[in-house]
Amino acid sequence: DSGVTQTPKHLITATGQRVTLRCSPRSGDLSVYWYQQSLDQGLQFLIHYYNGEERAKGNILERFSAQQFPDLHSELNLSSLELGDSALYFCASSVEGGGISTDTQYFGPGTRLTVL
Amino acid sequence: QKEVEQDPGPLSVPEGAIVSLNCTYSNSAFQYFMWYRQYSRKGPELLMYTYSSGNKEDGRFTAQVDKSSKYISLFIRDSQPSDSATYLCATRAGGTSYGKLTFGQGTILTVHP
Repeated sequence: DSGVTQTPKHLITATGQRVTLRCSPRSGDLSVYWYQQSLDQGLQFLIHYYNGEERAKGNILERFSAQQFPDLHSELNLSSLELGDSALYFCASSVEGGGISTDTQYFGPGTRLTVL
Repeated sequence: QKEVEQDPGPLSVPEGAIVSLNCTYSNSAFQYFMWYRQYSRKGPELLMYTYSSGNKEDGRFTAQVDKSSKYISLFIRDSQPSDSATYLCATRAGGTSYGKLTFGQGTILTVHP
């Protein structure tokens, strides 16, 4: 158990809908990262938040947005869902924001999103 | 072309074999190199973390980085059925890249008794 929690574990929804994925980082970690894992693209970085502020963006679609709250939990919002958005979504957390060499990212168990 | 290339396998070996997993990368800015293990329907867990070129050993696992050839390796000695999983190499640049990890596709490993 990494100490990172994600809810829900599974989510089944229809095209065009909007969903929210939730992540709670390990105690003491200030950074939260979101990744998408699909069979064809592998594990891809989406976005990084550090202590409530956006630090870096990857190839995140405009239909996707995220935020980190004062209690450091984070939410990833996916809207106007398409079939191709079906994937595993992982949240990871780390103490710092990558500025130190030993900053390790610990991954949560993921949310499996199925868009029908 | 992907920044990190990894043969997806699958790789099947008998118990006790030495396993060699490899990745190549193209971005010279990558300074930190990791191997993650992912069991089916679970999140990736960190196995090894190395900085720059050289070897690092932890029990049955050895990670090697050769920055001159942009080549990353993970060796597993005396492989066990419990090592059956997907192994992902990951890299990170320094400076303002902050924490963004770039992953290989992952290699599916099966160790059979």
